[in-house]
Amino acid sequence: QSALTQPPSASGSPGQSVTISCTGTSSDVGGYNYVSWFQQHPGKAPKLMIYEVSKRPSGVPDRFSGSKSGNTASLTVSGLQAEDEADYHCSSYAGRKGWVFGGGTKLTVL
Amino acid sequence: EVQLVESGGGLVQPGGSLRLSCVASGFSFSRDWMNWLRQAPGKGLEWVANIKEDGSDKYYVDSVKGRFTISRDNAKNSLYLQMNSLRAEDTAIYYCARGYAFAWDYWGQGALVTVSS
Repeated sequence: QSALTQPPSASGSPGQSVTISCTGTSSDVGGYNYVSWFQQHPGKAPKLMIYEVSKRPSGVPDRFSGSKSGNTASLTVSGLQAEDEADYHCSSYAGRKGWVFGGGTKLTVL
Repeated sequence: EVQLVESGGGLVQPGGSLRLSCVASGFSFSRDWMNWLRQAPGKGLEWVANIKEDGSDKYYVDSVKGRFTISRDNAKNSLYLQMNSLRAEDTAIYYCARGYAFAWDYWGQGALVTVSS
């Protein structure tokens, strides 16, 4: 069982927006502004999409945005495109435990 | 171009040992924290261990403490993970990744480790 809770699946039509949640505790998500999100296509390595809750690495489209409220972080994908179909994983720094992850969310573009 | 290339994965019996290697190129390896993460088949990601730039500090997830050892050779731009007393639950794809802002910005392609009799 993963430390962070993500919905197993999410979906949306091209052009729509989808938000994926990631719920932890005050010892991880709520305690640090070190939440990150990763996109993973089948058979590929994860790719960093968001770090420090809401920052985007160079090259990541601004359609991807992150936020946090209390113990829950969220990833929003706006203007869905076919290539956004992938698994999305959230992670949070958790102090002495190191880092914890969610179980992943499979995003389907309908 | 940043590249991280893992090797050393394979099939090992429970209780056995395996050593993973990761060769880095395209960045100043000696200036970055390096990490190992893993992903069991069909499961989520798990952070395993990390090591400071000069190798002086190392941290591990509780489930591998005392069994796994992370190390690095900055002269060879290489990261290692020595895995002993392997268990079935260690079966996973192991990724090396560069630490960045309490996350990981570059990942290798992964090395599959299967622990089975």
